[in-house]
Amino acid sequence: GDSVTQMEGPVTLSEEACLTINCTYTATGYPSLFWYVQYPGEGLQLLLKATKADDKGSNKGFEATYRKETTSFHLEKGSVQVSDSAVYFCVLSGGSYIPTFGRGTSLIVHP
Amino acid sequence: GAGVSQTPSNKVTEKGKYVELRCDPISGHTALYWYRQSLGQGPEFLIYFQGTGAADDSGLPNDRFFAVRPEGSVSTLKIQRTERGDSAVYLCASSLAGAGETQYFGPGTRLLVL
Repeated sequence: GDSVTQMEGPVTLSEEACLTINCTYTATGYPSLFWYVQYPGEGLQLLLKATKADDKGSNKGFEATYRKETTSFHLEKGSVQVSDSAVYFCVLSGGSYIPTFGRGTSLIVHP
Repeated sequence: GAGVSQTPSNKVTEKGKYVELRCDPISGHTALYWYRQSLGQGPEFLIYFQGTGAADDSGLPNDRFFAVRPEGSVSTLKIQRTERGDSAVYLCASSLAGAGETQYFGPGTRLLVL
């Protein structure tokens, strides 16, 4: 079945550092890929998405490229801020209609 | 406009009791999902509705769990004979149509079974 593997956290960075959170997946067919974010005390919300191979999703300075050849969708940001501290989930949604979530990666950014 | 709402926000109950959790999706969204999230884990799929019908209930852990969406809008997740292991945050999400679409999540209901 479909599955998502993302790097374990917590990831701890200083402000303005570069961020990469790895995400790889296994799926049948051609799923859409998402990153959702959960800020402290808030509900899950969409950060970015890509619906086909080689698409790049971007939002709030974050980017992720749908790489079919490596079955990856790594999340990147060039310069993180304290306000980026949150839990990030990589999600796959394909023809089965059942979204599959990764375990989540906690990001802590220090001033 | 209004987002997805869930009630109650917190529910404490005793082992063996019955509970109902409610979800109000975004108006016009035909797809509705229920998830369960335990501490340190990602949301775990429970059931998916397309309109009034349960299109996929393969994630429901056992027959103590049941969900309905009688008019294709509000949904209720029902748990009978609650067990301590049912303690978790129950999340509801809706989307315009279903597979591959952005989901909009509610704030969740935190269930604690004593």
